[in-house]
Amino acid sequence: EAQVTQNPRYLITVTGKKLTVTCSQNMNHEYMSWYRQDPGLGLRQIYYSMNVEVTDKGDVPEGYKVSRKEKRNFPLILESPSPNQTSLYFCASSSNWSDEQYFGPGTRLTVT
Amino acid sequence: KQEVTQIPAALSVPEGENLVLNCSFTDSAIYNLQWFRQDPGKGLTSLLLIQSSQREQTSGRLNASLDKSSGRSTLYIAASQPGDSATYLCAVRPSRNNNDMRFGAGTRLTVKP
Repeated sequence: EAQVTQNPRYLITVTGKKLTVTCSQNMNHEYMSWYRQDPGLGLRQIYYSMNVEVTDKGDVPEGYKVSRKEKRNFPLILESPSPNQTSLYFCASSSNWSDEQYFGPGTRLTVT
Repeated sequence: KQEVTQIPAALSVPEGENLVLNCSFTDSAIYNLQWFRQDPGKGLTSLLLIQSSQREQTSGRLNASLDKSSGRSTLYIAASQPGDSATYLCAVRPSRNNNDMRFGAGTRLTVKP
């Protein structure tokens, strides 16, 4: 089954404790991206990747890092999480930057 | 900077009614527009993708139109069903800046049996 998977689905952590949210797709897509969704603000893009070893900032990249060492994986790294990063995070992929995007199920992160 | 607006924020209709959801965007220089459905606690499901050169796309009971010059798109849902209850989001891909897909805040639809 073609899908985008994220882990973990739910995470509660404390300020400053590094964490990684994984994202994997099995559709051989070149383009992958991360979004956060906050009430009243909608979805905003954090980072995106056009292909392996090619990443760039989206609308709200501060406090986040990403890497794209393999085509299927695009982890989101929070080196020192803060409470304002409490949000619902989505990973998405598409065959190229302009094509239809497929979303993962989301990761609900709470930073206390 | 592209701004995407969806009105109304919430809509409640009786089952069987036809309805229209609206999406407007401020910059007509778009590459495409995509409509999504989001169920509570779940991810986004793609419904329809309209390229900038297209006027409309259809899938089953759904029809999406695009008027790029006026900065508008509509999602028409025919013969609504309770299972259509969800939040509907539109997103535009700007043609001048190919990285940043812009989303509206969504319309929360409730279809009452």
